[in-house]
Amino acid sequence: GAVVSQHPSWVICKSGTSVKIECRSLDFQATTMFWYRQFPKQSLMLMATSNEGSKATYEQGVEKDKFLINHASLTLSTLTVTSAHPEDSSFYICSARMGGGGFAKNIQYFGAGTRLSVL
Amino acid sequence: KNQVEQSPQSLIILEGKNCTLQCNYTVSPFSNLRWYKQDTGRGPVSLTIMTFSENTKSNGRYTATLDADTKQSSLHITASQLSDSASYICVVSGLPLDKVIFGPGTSLSVIP
Repeated sequence: GAVVSQHPSWVICKSGTSVKIECRSLDFQATTMFWYRQFPKQSLMLMATSNEGSKATYEQGVEKDKFLINHASLTLSTLTVTSAHPEDSSFYICSARMGGGGFAKNIQYFGAGTRLSVL
Repeated sequence: KNQVEQSPQSLIILEGKNCTLQCNYTVSPFSNLRWYKQDTGRGPVSLTIMTFSENTKSNGRYTATLDADTKQSSLHITASQLSDSASYICVVSGLPLDKVIFGPGTSLSVIP
């Protein structure tokens, strides 16, 4: 099956620093990647949708200048949390959707997630 | 409004017992429904995917059903194991393809 790799799996950083999270589709080309945020015991919340080669579309309430998303290739998207603060501590999950027509285009494959702890 | 509801919110069962989780949705038009298992601190892993024409789909001890007329789905877990303890998320996709709605999840705890 399709594999999505997310790195790092856990990161601890000081307040004010920036953190980059990578999301890679290992065995398929992903025209669309999604970034989610999840707080403990809550459901995934979509932060943004990124299409390869174009600017990401952010959900309402998500600061695009704080959460920088780059989707420069069909297999890689990155999320950079700039000037991180303790309230940014959360579990960040990416997913990738392969191109092509029909049903397969609609399936999202999830990464394992990145736990961010900002001190 | 497109919504996905799941019940129960949480469930505790004894190892070896069966259980059924419910998902009701109002997403329309409907494309497909997926059940995911999410272990604590991990990303969701797909268990089953069903389209409009499919009524049931199995994946080992997991069996999902879908009634597209009543907009209900269930996930039945047979002979539960301790490793089944996780959050189970129902995800409904509509049309256009970007319309993906996540349910709040059911937290399952299997105890010895």
